[in-house]
Amino acid sequence: DIQMTQSPSSVSAFVGDRVTITCRASQGIGHYLVWYQQKPGKAPKSLIFGASSLQSGVPSRFSGSGSGTDFTLTISSLQPEDFAIYYCQQYQSYPRTFGQGTKVEMK
Amino acid sequence: QQQLQESGPGLVKPSETLSLTCTASGVSITTSNYYWAWIRQPPGKGLEWIGSIFYSGNSYYNPSLKNRVTMSVDTSKNQFSLKMHSVTAADTAVFYCASHLWFGEFDYWGPGALVTVSS
Repeated sequence: DIQMTQSPSSVSAFVGDRVTITCRASQGIGHYLVWYQQKPGKAPKSLIFGASSLQSGVPSRFSGSGSGTDFTLTISSLQPEDFAIYYCQQYQSYPRTFGQGTKVEMK
Repeated sequence: QQQLQESGPGLVKPSETLSLTCTASGVSITTSNYYWAWIRQPPGKGLEWIGSIFYSGNSYYNPSLKNRVTMSVDTSKNQFSLKMHSVTAADTAVFYCASHLWFGEFDYWGPGALVTVSS
């Protein structure tokens, strides 16, 4: 199985801050990585697929980068609606695996 | 607009079988190249992929659960289903159904169904 490790596990930030979350795969996955946002009581929502492609309708303050084993999700200017948990997930192979999540909290 | 909806008992006794169904609307289960998946999330914890199935019945399961999980498809009802056998309290979770391409992210998700395992 490919292990996905996210850091940090939580981050406290102000509205307007730049936030960066990293995700490391235990082996190379090319660009087969997606970032999800999950709010309480809701299903995850895809933000970035293919490591760096913005999902339709997602604000441009979200961006993704990386390939192989190291990936980054960046929120350029944190908005109130961005406080949530973010997960990375690889879809290069089965079993599909997720990172443990990063909680973005209000400072 | 593609939508998925989970349904099934919200309470299952330990050692029994958990059964859930996902009904798709706005899309056919037989859509070429699409797979249909189950994902679970224990309360306050992260996401775990359970398995995926193609409309032909070809399926892939998480090895950590493989011996206890069975998925099936009913194309006449545009539904796919999950059975998880010999459940324990550790299987208490919100269960999501979702869709994906073979090399694709989970693009559409149901709202989730909480299943509690308790006597």
